[in-house]
This record gives sequence, C-alpha cells and structure tokens, in this order.
Amino acid sequence: DTGVSQDPRHKITKRGQNVTFRCDPISEHNRLYWYRQTLGQGPEFLTYFQNEAQLEKSRLLSDRFSAERPKGSFSTLEIQRTEQGDSAMYLCASSLEGTAPLHFGNGTRLTVT
Amino acid sequence: AQSVTQLDSQVPVFEEAPVELRCNYSSSVSVYLFWYVQYPNQGLQLLLKYLSGSTLVESINGFEAEFNKSQTSFHLRKPSVHISDTAEYFCAVSDRSSARQLTFGSGTQLTVLP
Repeated sequence: DTGVSQDPRHKITKRGQNVTFRCDPISEHNRLYWYRQTLGQGPEFLTYFQNEAQLEKSRLLSDRFSAERPKGSFSTLEIQRTEQGDSAMYLCASSLEGTAPLHFGNGTRLTVT
Repeated sequence: AQSVTQLDSQVPVFEEAPVELRCNYSSSVSVYLFWYVQYPNQGLQLLLKYLSGSTLVESINGFEAEFNKSQTSFHLRKPSVHISDTAEYFCAVSDRSSARQLTFGSGTQLTVLP
C-alpha cells in the first residue's frame, strides 16, 4: 500500500491555459474522489467515481472542468481556460465500498497568474 | 444536504494541557461522522470515525470524540496535548444512505505551545 499519489505537487499556469492533474489511487480501491480546498476552508467535493463510472458531480464542477477514470484505475482532472479563481489545492482520495474511510493524497496546488 | 460548523478557527494551547475542538453538524438524515487531521505539507489523514454503536470513539494517539445526537455535535478532545499534535483538524459528515461524499467543516488550527 503506497497510498494515494498525485502529480504534480505544484502547478503554476497563466490564466486561460489548460491544466491536467493525475491521481493514482490505492490499487484495490474502487472509489475515487476529487475535492478542492482553498485557503482557510475545508475540502469541497467535486466529483466521485465508482470504478470507471462518474456517479456524482458537484455544482462546483463547471463545464471547464472534466474528470476521467479510464479502466477504473488512475484518474485525471482537467481544467480548461483556467481562471484566477481556480487557484486552490486539488485533492484526490480513494476508498473501498461501503463505510470505508477515504484515503487522501497530498494534493496538487494550482496557482493561476 | 449536510453542513458542518467548526466554531473555532484557531486554538492555541500549552503542551500537556487538555483541549476540545468543537464540531456541530446539520443534516436531515442520519449521518456518519469523522475527524481528519492535516499536518503541514501532508494530505488529510483519518483520525477517528463514528459509524454506529458506542457514541464515544477513540484514536490510537489519545484523541476521543463523542457523538451527541440531541446536540448534533461531535467534539474532539484530548486530555493532554503534545507539540506533535500541532495540525489542522477537520470535522466531516456523510449521509448514511450513500456513505459516498464527505462534507467538511472549515477546519480548526491547533497550535501546541511549549
């Protein structure tokens, strides 16, 4: 169990550029989540996958955001035409089914200049 | 929908003193309750959880939390804190029927002073 891995750790981009983040969950976990955390706030739910199926999306996930989990393994989160308001820590978590707790990665910190 | 309120954004306390971090939740359905801890430059780690059974739950490092349904609270306590407990603590709730997404509070920064 190597934990949830996220790449990159930090990303600085200019407004209007596209960015993509990757998350590798714990291998036997079939649930995968994306959260966003801004300074002074708790994490906010963005979206959730059960295997390769995206089952829930928050209203926070505008049409500039897209997440995929091909083959039910790693996941990518893409933000198109980034805005300064997208600057945040993007957290990935994974879990087994049922009431199993979420295991979080260390996050990708996005700064949009 | 659920919501979580952590009334104290910062709690400074001296080493070996007791501490209580407050958490209140609001929900129209039955919930599961969690405390997560985030050390500097690290991801969130589960500290303890209440799913069912005894309303008092404990962690391996001396923290405990008690589920109080009538007061809709899940306060976190430790009788004697250490410098290494300095971190941000997040209370979270999930809907029992789906147990999927977590709703987090805004966090409490615990700073243990020597």
